[in-house]
Formats: sequence, C-alpha cells, structure tokens
Amino acid sequence: QVQLVQSGAEVKKPGASVRVSCKASGFTFTAYYIHWVRQAPGQGLEWVGWINLSSGGTKYAQNFQGRVTMTRDTSITTAYMELTRLISDDTAVYYCARDETAAPGLSFEYWGQGTLVTVSS
Amino acid sequence: DVVMTQSPLSLPVTPGEPASISCRSSRSLLYSNGNNLLDWYLQKPGQSPQLLIYLGSNRASGVPDRFSGSGSGTDFTLTISRVEAEDVGVYYCMQGLQTPYTFGQGTKLEIK
Repeated sequence: QVQLVQSGAEVKKPGASVRVSCKASGFTFTAYYIHWVRQAPGQGLEWVGWINLSSGGTKYAQNFQGRVTMTRDTSITTAYMELTRLISDDTAVYYCARDETAAPGLSFEYWGQGTLVTVSS
Repeated sequence: DVVMTQSPLSLPVTPGEPASISCRSSRSLLYSNGNNLLDWYLQKPGQSPQLLIYLGSNRASGVPDRFSGSGSGTDFTLTISRVEAEDVGVYYCMQGLQTPYTFGQGTKLEIK
C-alpha cells in the first residue's frame, strides 16, 4: 500500500534551517511528484511547492522562493524539503502529498502524517 | 493568485440531516478539456487531509456515496446527503488550475 512517512517534530531558533523528509513506499517512486503543504496552528492549508521525483525539477510558491529547496534521493525513495531563515510564522505542520502530474487537474490522494516545525527563541 | 472562498465557515448539523458547503473561486476553474479543476478535502481532527472529490464531482476511492460534488466555473458545492458522526472535521476546497494551488479557508462541520 502507498505510504508517505515523514520525519519527526523539530524545534528551531529563528534564523535557522530545517529539513523535513518524506519516505515513500508502495509505488514506483519516480513516476510521481511530491508536493509540500503547510498548516499553521489553527489555520488553513498553504501550498509550498512540488518536486518531480524523476527529474528532480521543482516549482515553488512565490512566498517561499529563495528560502525553500526540495530534493529527493531515489536510492532510498525519500523526498526532502528544506526551509531556511526560519521565522516564527513558519511554525506549522508540514505535509508531503503525492500527485501524478503536477499539471492542471492534479489531486493529492495520499498524504504523509505531517511534521510539526516549531520556530521559537 | 486564485482566491477560494468557502461558506459557511461553521456548520452544525444533526445526524441524518443533509449538509452543503459552498466554494467560490476568483476565476473560472473550467479547463479546456471540460473538467472543473476543483477538489474537496476533509481533515478529520488530528489527521492529515484526505481527498473526497476530484475534478469537481468525482468521488475518490473509498469515499461513501453520501458525498457528492457539483458546480462549474466559479461556483461549487459539496453535499453530504445524510451526515454521520464520522463526518466531523474541516472541509477544504482546492483549485488545481494554476500555481500556487490555493485552498479555501475551511468549513468546520460539527454534530449538533
């Protein structure tokens, strides 16, 4: 069965960086895209960006340009999201989600369990 | 960016009664292939979001048939024909037309 298992909670100081991982199993890793979506405490969902698990190509939301980097390691079927220069507003649960196309009409059928990133001095 | 607006934001419902949630987008989500690029997700308490409806009206795998999606262009509706206790949570619509993909604010369904 399809599974996306994320790394554990992180606590970081302002200005630091965080890397969250998303271990995939149960499907052909390089046939899909992984998107990252975040949710601040008590708030709604915000799309961060995607990575093509085959080519490594990426697309990021403008709000995160220059601070986010998405990568993947095909040998261990794991995708990563790194966010730098953290501020308190980056405190959120970060989800990875699988998509087939990253094209108009995409849907997120499978989600990871979420990783809480807390930014606090 | 495409702005997604949901209403109501809070929805108390008696079990067995119907419920509906509205979602409006700031631009048409009707794509050139005839599909409406609108999904519905449910986030149950303490859980990750789960896909309910894709392309406006198609139920995702395993979703009960009491859930249905309708609408076209800029106006969409999620309908639950008979609400059950397990349906509590926050419902989000999301546009899949263009990046950044954007979500509605969420509608919290609770049982009366």
